[in-house]
Parts: sequence; structure tokens; C-alpha cells
Amino acid sequence: GAGVSQTPSNKVTEKGKYVELRCDPISGHTALYWYRQSLGQGPEFLIYFQGTGAADDSGLPNDRFFAVRPEGSVSTLKIQRTERGDSAVYLCASSSLAGGGELFFGEGSRLTVL
Amino acid sequence: EDQVTQSPEALRLQEGESSSLNCSYTVSGLRGLFWYRQDPGKGPEFLFTLYSAGEEKEKERLKATLTKKESFLHITAPKPEDSATYLCAVQANSGYALNFGKGTSLLVTP
Repeated sequence: GAGVSQTPSNKVTEKGKYVELRCDPISGHTALYWYRQSLGQGPEFLIYFQGTGAADDSGLPNDRFFAVRPEGSVSTLKIQRTERGDSAVYLCASSSLAGGGELFFGEGSRLTVL
Repeated sequence: EDQVTQSPEALRLQEGESSSLNCSYTVSGLRGLFWYRQDPGKGPEFLFTLYSAGEEKEKERLKATLTKKESFLHITAPKPEDSATYLCAVQANSGYALNFGKGTSLLVTP
């Protein structure tokens, strides 16, 4: 596609439920990042994929968060046992350069945990 | 630990009134400093990369500069369409993550 696509754009769930957020990066981009952004804050790093593997997952806040990228393209961020504090906009970004800082962001998935 | 502090938090300018946004940073070995623009409800949009002190980049009414401790985003004769949140981020040599500041919310009024 022309840009990074994220689905769903909005997700409302109840505390304790499981959630999956999907990211479809720009075709050919091998680097993929997940960030989350709370109101009034800058994006906070979660995880970086180079190809199929997670090169850096140091930003994942705890073991309820997990991400996969099985074929080196689409990525899914999975959140188990959601908590109200998980409410945020989850941003995906891709890049043509491994480890590069020129990132192309999607519009984000807004997660609200009630 | 990497740290990025942006000031001011919010800035209101009249159309044509030039100003500068500040990004102060600490990082163990700078790989790059990045400026992004973010419109409400959208993801950040890349503007500039700066790699070393003394470097400058320009794009239309925007000019970014870098020293060893801070970066400035100068906005010359801004227009209402320049209204957005401007984010600064640093990337260390040791990793891949971009560490973002909280941003400066810029409002340009006609």
C-alpha cells in the first residue's frame, strides 16, 4: 500500500480481555517499530523488528505484551489481560533502513480499556 | 539513560511571527537526532535528521540546527498550516529505539 496501515483504528474493550492490533507496513520495508502514545506525551518505544525477528523488545512494559511478525511483513501486537492503564494510541512505523530513524508512521490504533 | 526535553510545551504565534523551538538532550553516543511533525489524530511525520554538531537542515519555512546538547527548530514567517505538535527524538549508537520528547504544540493564528 501507499502507507503504513493499522487496524482497527479504534478498539474499546473491557478490563481483563485480550486484544490484537495489526500493522501492515510499507511494502519492502524490513524495519518495523511499535510505539504507544498517551495524551500529551511523546511516543514511547515498545519493540523493533528487523525482518521476522524482534531485534529489540526492551520497551515492552511487561509479559502481557507480545508482538509477532512471522513473515517479515505484517505485524500483530498482542495484549493479554488488558488493564485501564493500557489505554493509549498504539503507533506502528516502518523504515527501509535497518535501524534508521526516518520512520513512516501509521495513524495508530486507539485502545480504550473500560 | 537517554533524556529529551522540549520547550516550550506550547507556543502561540501570529502568522509571520518567527520563533524557535528547543530540544535539549542527553544520550550516550548520538547516532541521530530527529524532528517530526504530528497533526491531531495522525501519526508523526518525519521532517529532519541531524547527525553531528554544527549540522543544519532546511525545508520550506523550517530550519533545524544541532549542537552537542540541544537542537533548535526555527520557524520563519509561519503560516496557520504550520500549526501542529513538533516532536524531537534521539537515537543512541547502542540501540534502535527513538526516544521522543513530549513535543511542542504550535498554534499559528491568522
